[in-house]
Amino acid sequence: DTGVSQDPRHKITKRGQNVTFRCDPISEHNRLYWYRQTLGQGPEFLTYFQNEAQLEKSRLLSDRFSAERPKGSFSTLEIQRTEQGDSAMYLCASSLEGRGNNEQYFGPGTRLTVT
Amino acid sequence: AQTVTQSQPEMSVQEAETVTLSCTYDTSENNYYLFWYKQPPSRQMILVIRQEAYKQQNATENRFSVNFQKAAKSFSLKISDSQLGDTAMYFCAFMKHSNAGNMLTFGGGTRLMVKP
Repeated sequence: DTGVSQDPRHKITKRGQNVTFRCDPISEHNRLYWYRQTLGQGPEFLTYFQNEAQLEKSRLLSDRFSAERPKGSFSTLEIQRTEQGDSAMYLCASSLEGRGNNEQYFGPGTRLTVT
Repeated sequence: AQTVTQSQPEMSVQEAETVTLSCTYDTSENNYYLFWYKQPPSRQMILVIRQEAYKQQNATENRFSVNFQKAAKSFSLKISDSQLGDTAMYFCAFMKHSNAGNMLTFGGGTRLMVKP
């Protein structure tokens, strides 16, 4: 396992469609984070899992967004009824609880374009 | 809530020279971590350097060092002997010390161009 992977890398969808992204963290990492990064900006926190439990959600995560991590391994982020404002890079990161350096390892991201 | 501000949207430096990127933050926390992340064009974000707020000594990692001024809430990154591969977006980030989630709060980024 060489790092965090995300699929797909790019997604173009029409407004109103649903999309789902997948994140596979580093295998022994029990914490998983989703961030959103719009063009020219820094990433913004969306939600966080410890194992399979979703422990925190940002106010940015509207009712159209849902995230799961059913077995405490991979995670999915679904956006329903996409809007043009959802166009962004969606980043996933993982970390290991208790590791002293608190480092989060990032995936390559999924770039979403809503037309 | 924490905020992180990077006041330099873009910077450039000649290869082999030194450049300093600025970052200020606002928090009421006393225990926290600060990070600099690098995001090369079309590539994933990687950690450059980290600093624990309780440590007075500034962190260094090879050509990268920080100037951490806790009272001033300032955390600048110095890159010595700049290389072409240092061309990237650089993000300053804050993490509250917590046994719960450790989400990062990022600044808006500084785009660094290293010129040959």
